[in-house]
Amino acid sequence: DAGVTQSPTHLIKTRGQQVTLRCSPKSGHDTVSWYQQALGQGPQFIFQYYEEEERQRGNFPDRFSGHQFPNYSSELNVNALLLGDSALYLCASSLRTGGTDTQYFGPGTRLTVL
Amino acid sequence: AQSVTQLDSHVSVSEGTPVLLRCNYSSSYSPSLFWYVQHPNKGLQLLLKYTSAATLVKGINGFEAEFKKSETSFHLTKPSAHMSDAAEYFCVVSNPNSGYALNFGKGTSLLVTP
Repeated sequence: DAGVTQSPTHLIKTRGQQVTLRCSPKSGHDTVSWYQQALGQGPQFIFQYYEEEERQRGNFPDRFSGHQFPNYSSELNVNALLLGDSALYLCASSLRTGGTDTQYFGPGTRLTVL
Repeated sequence: AQSVTQLDSHVSVSEGTPVLLRCNYSSSYSPSLFWYVQHPNKGLQLLLKYTSAATLVKGINGFEAEFKKSETSFHLTKPSAHMSDAAEYFCVVSNPNSGYALNFGKGTSLLVTP
């Protein structure tokens, strides 16, 4: 049973560029959440997708956008990259049960903005 | 709104001695609480979760946590530390009444010495 997978593992971009990160959820899961983890900090919630719609969004600018596909996989897009966007981006998947969903995390994508 | 405060940024123990990682939470509603562990350059692994069932929660690798509503605490313990326990530990709170985002503490770095 494959867990949550993310690609790429590492990415280097320059300021002003755009980046797309990808996530495949754990088998049987229908919900994907994205988090940003800056160095030495706890992860911060970016947004959550369920039924191909953004269901909840954290305190991140519109430069951060996402998408969920019919097979439940997801993409995170960041436009106009800033140096401060350098971080580990974590994807988590869960099964929407109506109660407390347990989120399972992938290994992350390390983004470096130069 | 909900949040967690991890009372120690660093904890150092000797191998074979008990581990105590402290966490206090703040939540307007009955919270769901989690502990996640992150080994260097790895994603997050769920250790245990509390969702209003038994107040003493047992997790993986010998860890357990006790939910104390009167003290608004959810401390993580382990009777005997192992070298492989050295990692970053995050206390997390969520509440389905206000969305499904996980709210992470700043983390506690556990060092285990021989």
